[in-house]
Amino acid sequence: NAGVTQTPKFQVLKTGQSMTLQCAQDMNHNSMYWYRQDPGMGLRLIYYSASEGTTDKGEVPNGYNVSRLNKREFSLRLESAAPSQTSVYFCASRDSGMADTQYFGPGTRLTVL
Amino acid sequence: EDQVTQSPEALRLQEGESSSLNCSYTVSGLRGLFWYRQDPGKGPEFLFTLYSAGEEKEKERLKATLTKKESFLHITAPKPEDSATYLCAVRATDSWGKFQFGAGTQVVVTP
Repeated sequence: NAGVTQTPKFQVLKTGQSMTLQCAQDMNHNSMYWYRQDPGMGLRLIYYSASEGTTDKGEVPNGYNVSRLNKREFSLRLESAAPSQTSVYFCASRDSGMADTQYFGPGTRLTVL
Repeated sequence: EDQVTQSPEALRLQEGESSSLNCSYTVSGLRGLFWYRQDPGKGPEFLFTLYSAGEEKEKERLKATLTKKESFLHITAPKPEDSATYLCAVRATDSWGKFQFGAGTQVVVTP
């Protein structure tokens, strides 16, 4: 099992450019998440998907859109990147069983110039 | 609003010097409290889930405890490989599957 995979690992964008961050999980989890991590601020939820076909805003959704393509894949799109979106982005999926555990991908380090 | 505060922000330990990290939380009702370990340049890795006050979990040199207002992560006789950032998160009973994370405690263990 690969667990949670994310592409790309690194990306540099110019202000105003767009891009899509890809995430996939092979654990048959229903719930998937996108977080951003900035120094001193911990992980902040951008969007959440409880199941295929559903999405919900998190704490910091402005400037982002998501697509839950199927049960495995959950993508995050930046339509017009801004320097404030420079961050490390993590995707996670959740085991909804007893453990209620989130499993994280390796992250995408994004720099917006 | 759910809040999670971790202290200290950073901790420097000598190998073998035991210490504790604190995670204070405010939620309407606690569904679960989670501890993660994060190494530089990697995603968080799950350590423990605690569900109710008085519960304890152990794994090697780590022991997590829970009260109604806070959780502690005790590191006993740490080794350099325990160096990492430790994250605490809570899930409230009315959270609809969402989690609130603290900012983390960065632990450095020197030989």
